[in-house]
Amino acid sequence: QSVLTQPPSVSAAPGQKVTISCSGSSSNIRINYVSWYQQLPGTAPKLLIYDNNKRPSGIPDRFSGSKSGTSATLGITGLQTGDEADYYCGTWDSSLNVYVFGTGTKVTGL
Amino acid sequence: QVQLVQSGAEVKKPGSSVKVSCKASGGSFSSYAISWVRQAPGQGLEWMGGIIPIFGTTNEAQNFQGRVTITADESTSTAYMELSSLRSEDTAVYYCARVKGDSFSSGHLFWGQGTRVTVSS
Repeated sequence: QSVLTQPPSVSAAPGQKVTISCSGSSSNIRINYVSWYQQLPGTAPKLLIYDNNKRPSGIPDRFSGSKSGTSATLGITGLQTGDEADYYCGTWDSSLNVYVFGTGTKVTGL
Repeated sequence: QVQLVQSGAEVKKPGSSVKVSCKASGGSFSSYAISWVRQAPGQGLEWMGGIIPIFGTTNEAQNFQGRVTITADESTSTAYMELSSLRSEDTAVYYCARVKGDSFSSGHLFWGQGTRVTVSS
């Protein structure tokens, strides 16, 4: 049972924007940095966003992150076929003293 | 560039143990936290625990406390995860991952290729 809740799936037409929410609590998202990961089928996860809104080198600016209170959001603009994947949020939980991942969201194109 | 190379696939009997290795190259090993994350078939990511090699300190998720042992050998830049009392529900792909910054909350930038562990009688 994850402490971070995401919608199971989101979809959009190619070229459109999608947003994925990640709902947590005062012991995790509110006080710690949030990361976002992309997982293509059969591959290891890939870090897309760290420290709430920063992108590692090589990640296009079509991917963005934000945080407000106990929730975080990943945005993907100009959706491409290659963006169809599972996406997970993650952060440290200071009450449980563990790293927690969100429930995961599958992004599909219409 | 940092690379994490994990040991190969394992098939284990229920009740036995498995030990997965994760060898790091191309960067500092001791100063950065390493996590172990597993993914059961068709399921999401589950953090099992982690270690900061330079301190030797570990954190384990409550689900695995008492069954998981995470260690690191600084001399070989290798982290290990041993899971005991295996059951069929432990069938999963196990990943090691190194954080980007100075804490677990800085995000996991580098990932191993994954090790498939199958528990079957």
